[in-house]
Formats: sequence, C-alpha cells, structure tokens
Amino acid sequence: DAKTTQPNSMESNEEEPVHLPCNHSTISGTDYIHWYRQLPSQGPEYVIHGLTSNVNNRMASLAIAEDRKSSTLILHRATLRDAAVYYCILRYLGGSQGNLIFGKGTKLSVKP
Amino acid sequence: DGGITQSPKYLFRKEGQNVTLSCEQNLNHDAMYWYRQDPGQGLRLIYYSQIVNDFQKGDIAEGYSVSREKKESFPLTVTSAQKNPTAFYLCASSIGTGGPREKAFFGQGTRLTVV
Repeated sequence: DAKTTQPNSMESNEEEPVHLPCNHSTISGTDYIHWYRQLPSQGPEYVIHGLTSNVNNRMASLAIAEDRKSSTLILHRATLRDAAVYYCILRYLGGSQGNLIFGKGTKLSVKP
Repeated sequence: DGGITQSPKYLFRKEGQNVTLSCEQNLNHDAMYWYRQDPGQGLRLIYYSQIVNDFQKGDIAEGYSVSREKKESFPLTVTSAQKNPTAFYLCASSIGTGGPREKAFFGQGTRLTVV
C-alpha cells in the first residue's frame, strides 16, 4: 500500500475549524483515502473516506486535492472531545491483504 | 446494537502463561483483524482473517495464534513464546477487503499486562 505522511501534532482552539493534512504522493488511481481517530485508551473510530470528490458527513469533511496526492480532514468547529490521534490511511480497491497500516498519526490538542 | 466486543478490558497474567483474548462481532462482517499498540505508537497488525476458517499472518505474528471457526468470533492467543506481550490489543472487523469495504470497526481494546 502507498504510504501517508502526517504532522506529528497540531493544536487548535475550541470552536475553531481544524485542518488536518495528509500527504500521499504515491497514491494510485484506485486507492481510497480513509481517516480514523483514536481517543485516549480507546479503539480507533472511523471518521470518513473518499476517492476523488470531497466528502461530508456528520463528523467531518474530507477535501481531496485534484491530483489526489494530498488530502485534508476538516473539523468545522473543534470541541474538547475532538482531542485525539487522527490517522490517514490508504486502502486499495482490489484489496490490500488486510493490512490496514496505521502510522503514528497526528495528535490533535484542543485548547478551551 | 451492532458492534464489536472485546473482553476482558484489563488482563493480568504471569510470565510463561498462555492467554486468550476474546473478540466477537455481530455486524455480519467477513473480515476481522488483530492489532497491537504500544505506548505512543501506531497500530501493528498481528493477524487478519478475510473469511471463516482462513487467516493470514500480519507484520508481528510471532508468538501469537488465532482461530476463525465462526464468522462472529476471532480469538487471539498470546503464547509464552511472545517476548514482550504487555501491550494494548485491538480487534477490528470490516465488511470485506478492498477500498470502501475496509471501513473498519474497532473494539474498545484489551490491555494485557504480564508480570
């Protein structure tokens, strides 16, 4: 699977928007972009996924660059409950032998 | 409610003992996974199963064993051969493999401490 690169940490103020970047310059045309987040001492939670078009759901928005070499997870109004580690991963349409590769992700801190 | 359940949440074992971690899902998912997470680190894949009665080794399978006799269940045994078993263990499931089918649901984890 193609690799992703994320900043180690980011800070945000409560009720402000947060833009979490992810670089995936070796992405293939059939790789889906998935985002998960992990709160302390819990299992990861699915946030959103997309292929080419921007996606919105109740948790967040996913903005995908036109060349698909990067994407941004957008939290429209950060809350203290959004403080977590955010993981960006790629999933090949044809199946990746089950190897969901989670790197260290981006640790998001939210200040009141 | 549909979901994935891991038990127990905390587990203590003496060094040299085998221990089995439970993972059950009622989501009717074909694929199931076991991960290990060490403090401050990402997740590392131990084993995965794409279908009943079939499973594959992940990156760090040594010292671990699994079975997949039922679709709903994917227990993980940490054997005495595992050198550093103390860790946070996470089980996940997905509809299948490939792109959107790999939207994964995770359990709440089992924190294993070997003394």
